[in-house]
Amino acid sequence: DGGITQSPKYLFRKEGQNVTLSCEQNLNHDAMYWYRQDPGQGLRLIYYSQIVNDFQKGDIAEGYSVSREKKESFPLTVTSAQKNPTAFYLCASSVLPRGPESYNEQFFGPGTRLTVL
Amino acid sequence: AQSVSQHNHHVILSEAASLELGCNYSYGGTVNLFWYVQYPGQHLQLLLKYFSGDPLVKGIKGFEAEFIKSKFSFNLRKPSVQWSDTAEYFCAVNEGSGGGADGLTFGKGTHLIIQP
Repeated sequence: DGGITQSPKYLFRKEGQNVTLSCEQNLNHDAMYWYRQDPGQGLRLIYYSQIVNDFQKGDIAEGYSVSREKKESFPLTVTSAQKNPTAFYLCASSVLPRGPESYNEQFFGPGTRLTVL
Repeated sequence: AQSVSQHNHHVILSEAASLELGCNYSYGGTVNLFWYVQYPGQHLQLLLKYFSGDPLVKGIKGFEAEFIKSKFSFNLRKPSVQWSDTAEYFCAVNEGSGGGADGLTFGKGTHLIIQP
């Protein structure tokens, strides 16, 4: 089945520890994204990547880091610098638009719920 | 920076009632508009999208939305809701000029509860 997998589903970490969330897609999509979802806040963009070995900061990148060494994978590291890391993290992917007047539908993974104790 | 406002955070309706969820965005240029739905325990999935053309777009499960450029609005509608429509609904936007590969700006969501 084609899709986006995120692991683990639930993650618990002690305060001050870095933690890496996995995101893998087999949709052959070029673009990948990380969002954070908090109750009553909607989704906010953390980082995105349109091509291997390149990525850009989103609206709330502070305290997070990413890598894009393979097209299929876009792991997110929540560092100890993130002041409020407990949240639901969603990964998404999409094709790149074919021209200036096209659009991309983003497909989402099942999410990882991170709790920092 | 863009922003998206969803007017109602919680909506409770009875089955067969009509639904309209409001969405307004702040960007004045070309935009792509989306409604996503998150059913309990499921992935976020696309309900419908608007890029250009007919401002009235139809999506899955009987939902539709109307783009009104003069009002910067993209309200979601359904004439008769079902218990299975209970979910969280998110309006999202990105700038059309960039092709939309630079992420979406989401509203805060509307939690819809349908009572049998």
